[in-house]
Amino acid sequence: QSVLTQPPSASGTPGQRVTISCSGSSSNIGSYNVSWYQHLPGTAPKLLIYSDNQRPSGVPDRFSGSKSGTSASLAISGLQSEDEADYYCATWDDSLNGWVFGGGTKLTVL
Amino acid sequence: EVQLVESGGGLVQPGGSLRLSCADSGFTFSSHWMYWVRQAPGKGLEWVANINQDGSEKYYVDSVKGRFTISRDNAKNSLYLQMNILRAEDTAVYYCAGGNAMDYWGQGTPVTVSS
Repeated sequence: QSVLTQPPSASGTPGQRVTISCSGSSSNIGSYNVSWYQHLPGTAPKLLIYSDNQRPSGVPDRFSGSKSGTSASLAISGLQSEDEADYYCATWDDSLNGWVFGGGTKLTVL
Repeated sequence: EVQLVESGGGLVQPGGSLRLSCADSGFTFSSHWMYWVRQAPGKGLEWVANINQDGSEKYYVDSVKGRFTISRDNAKNSLYLQMNILRAEDTAVYYCAGGNAMDYWGQGTPVTVSS
């Protein structure tokens, strides 16, 4: 059971907008910046969002992040087939004195 | 372009040891926090350990405390993970990552603990 809760799956059709949630607590999301990663098994994970809502250079602006209280969200607009991957949120947790990842959300592009 | 390359994975018996390495090229290695993250078969990503720029701060997930040691050699632009008393549940692909938000990742090295 992950400290950060994500839905196990999400789906959408090309062009649609999908949102993936990440729920935590005051010891993690409520106190620290959230990052989001895209991962295709067998490949290197990729940072999509850092500091709750900042995109590294090279990440399309179709990807956006937000945070409110102890929850964060990743939104993907203009969904494309290459967006099909696993998505993880992560942040520091004071109680555990370490980083924590969400359980991951498998995004399917129908 | 940043490149992190892990090595040292393999098959080891329960109770055995392995030392993973991560070599950096094209990256200001000494300026960044470094991490080890693993993914067990069929599971999600799990943070294992991280270390600050000069090696004076180290943090570990509870399940590896006392068994794993993270270290770095800034002169060699390299990160290490010494893994002792390995258990079946340590079987995973181990990734190294760098940057304040795990900005850069390697391709991973597989570790299998089995008799």
